[in-house]
Amino acid sequence: EVQLVDSGGGFVQPGGSLRLSCAASGFTFSDYDMHWVRQSTGKSLEWVSGIDTVGGTYYPGSVQGRFTISRDNAKNSLYLQMNSLRAGDTAVYYCARAKKGVHWLDPWGQGTLVTVSS
Amino acid sequence: QSALTQPPSVSGSPGQSITISCTGTSSDVGGYNFVSWYQQHPGKAPKLIIFDVTNRPSGVSNRISGSKSGNTASLTISGLQAEDEADYYCSSYRSSSTLVVFGGGTQLTVL
Repeated sequence: EVQLVDSGGGFVQPGGSLRLSCAASGFTFSDYDMHWVRQSTGKSLEWVSGIDTVGGTYYPGSVQGRFTISRDNAKNSLYLQMNSLRAGDTAVYYCARAKKGVHWLDPWGQGTLVTVSS
Repeated sequence: QSALTQPPSVSGSPGQSITISCTGTSSDVGGYNFVSWYQQHPGKAPKLIIFDVTNRPSGVSNRISGSKSGNTASLTISGLQAEDEADYYCSSYRSSSTLVVFGGGTQLTVL
């Protein structure tokens, strides 16, 4: 069974850092692009970052320079290093899988909650 | 404000059909056949139900279909059932640094 398990969320003060992890199983992790998507309470989805099979990384302007996506194919794991966190980064963060070169996401992890507050 | 525009809510009675629209621009919805749709039940992760405008993943009901005309994509659910009550999000590839954009979501209520 294909499975993604998100972890690492928690409570952090503005300006702080947090590292999210996503453990993948049930498929050949290195063959797939991976993405992070977040969802604020009661709000829509927002794409946060993506990494392709050869390590190319992609970010929207809202997190460029603050967030870093990475992957460890030997550990079947995806990561999101989040620095200079703001209240507006408060959300549930999901990792999701994508076939190489395409942008529809399937499946998604269960999500991990990040709360940025003083 | 989301990149793609969806109606906040739609409703229908069991057995009826509903359609949810998703309007973008020529840089996303209108420029590529890379529209996808996700279903999200409360407290759960989104689930892919349509990819590349019209395609259903294995296991998704054939009551669900997708289409596109110009800059607007649509999701249609026929023969509404109680289990269809959920939030629905459209998504598209965009030719910019923001590779993936989403709609604001539509809450479907089965009356």
